[in-house]
Amino acid sequence: GENVEQHPSTLSVQEGDSAVIKCTYSDSASNYFPWYKQELGKGPQLIIDIRSNVGEKKDQRIAVTLNKTAKHFSLHITETQPEDSAVYFCAATTGTGGTSYGKLTFGQGTILTVHP
Amino acid sequence: KAGVTQTPRYLIKTRGQQVTLSCSPISGHRSVSWYQQTPGQGLQFLFEYFSETQRNKGNFPGRFSGRQFSNSRSEMNVSTLELGDSALYLCASIPGQGAREQFFGPGTRLTVL
Repeated sequence: GENVEQHPSTLSVQEGDSAVIKCTYSDSASNYFPWYKQELGKGPQLIIDIRSNVGEKKDQRIAVTLNKTAKHFSLHITETQPEDSAVYFCAATTGTGGTSYGKLTFGQGTILTVHP
Repeated sequence: KAGVTQTPRYLIKTRGQQVTLSCSPISGHRSVSWYQQTPGQGLQFLFEYFSETQRNKGNFPGRFSGRQFSNSRSEMNVSTLELGDSALYLCASIPGQGAREQFFGPGTRLTVL
């Protein structure tokens, strides 16, 4: 089955710096890659996603890039703020909608700390 | 639009008991997925329901089961609880066929003593 590796497990940056989190996946049939932010005591919040037919997507300070050949995708956060501190998860799925969209395979998570 | 509702938010049970957790998806969403989150194993897929039918199931023992009702609300049940079942159980709401985004609820924190 699908396997997703996420690095680093912890990341500490100063406010205003950029943060990059990287994930690799094993199943070349994976076609959808969401990123989630989870704050203490809350469920994961979808922050950005990318489909396999797109190489890059940006939403304000957040961007995601996808390299299908190398089977890796990355989350980029620019101008980090203390409120960006949280656990970030990448995920992948091979779902096509015909049988399932729901089986996300998650990375292990990255604890991001932004120091003021 | 109201978000995903999960009840109860916290639950304490003892080994051998059974538990039922409930999830109400976002209004209009037809698919629900369940995940287990633990510090050791991370986020793991349990099962997915669409139109009252289980479409996919993760690698969990048969003690874990679920169902979906005609109003899209879903329940999951764990029988004969074990200490290792202590976890945050998360429900995700999916709009339906053609949509990829999954929106998570706050979860139910289950503690097995």
